[in-house]
Amino acid sequence: DTAVSQTPKYLVTQMGNDKSIKCEQNLGHDTMYWYKQDSKKFLKIMFSYNNKELIINETVPNRFSPKSPDKAHLNLHINSLELGDSAVYFCASSQDGRAETQYFGPGTRLLVL
Amino acid sequence: AQSVTQLGSHVSVSEGALVLLRCNYSSSVPPYLFWYVQYPNQGLQLLLKYTTGATLVKGINGFEAEFKKSETSFHLTKPSAHMSDAAEYFCAVSDYQGAQKLVFGQGTRLTINP
Repeated sequence: DTAVSQTPKYLVTQMGNDKSIKCEQNLGHDTMYWYKQDSKKFLKIMFSYNNKELIINETVPNRFSPKSPDKAHLNLHINSLELGDSAVYFCASSQDGRAETQYFGPGTRLLVL
Repeated sequence: AQSVTQLGSHVSVSEGALVLLRCNYSSSVPPYLFWYVQYPNQGLQLLLKYTTGATLVKGINGFEAEFKKSETSFHLTKPSAHMSDAAEYFCAVSDYQGAQKLVFGQGTRLTINP
């Protein structure tokens, strides 16, 4: 019973293509997040959604567009992929609140050629 | 703005030795502090967290951390390292901007020597 799942696990694509990553959580959490982990393992938040509403939008290029069809799902669509988009993208979820534990998915490894 | 600094991007210890991973934070409000662990090719999972109350926090797998306000530190320790502890460790401070916002340190890779 996977708590936070992501698909696909690996994504290899050409520059200029458009791709999507899907995330689902079965923990009943209100808040979901997207993080980017670069090649040096640095982890940075991109977006967070609370009850399907976009709350946090860090300085991310507008080629990245998150969508939350319901509380359990948060997808990430990336247009016109660039070499610098190559990274591991993690989805996470938590209850709402500053002290809450975030539960992370296994990650999607994106390689742009 | 809140920030976290982890001293040492790579720490190597022998099996059975003490593990000490250092974390210093900067926060304009009383900090909520977290340690997450990332095993190879996996997502992050919580080791322990400090929010309020007792400053010595115990976590999973024998790890503990002590919040020291005067030193703005939240170092992670384990008395005796095990091979299975080899992983990447991240310290984070929590902010709230309509939703929780974790600010992570750069990470420390822990290697265990047999």
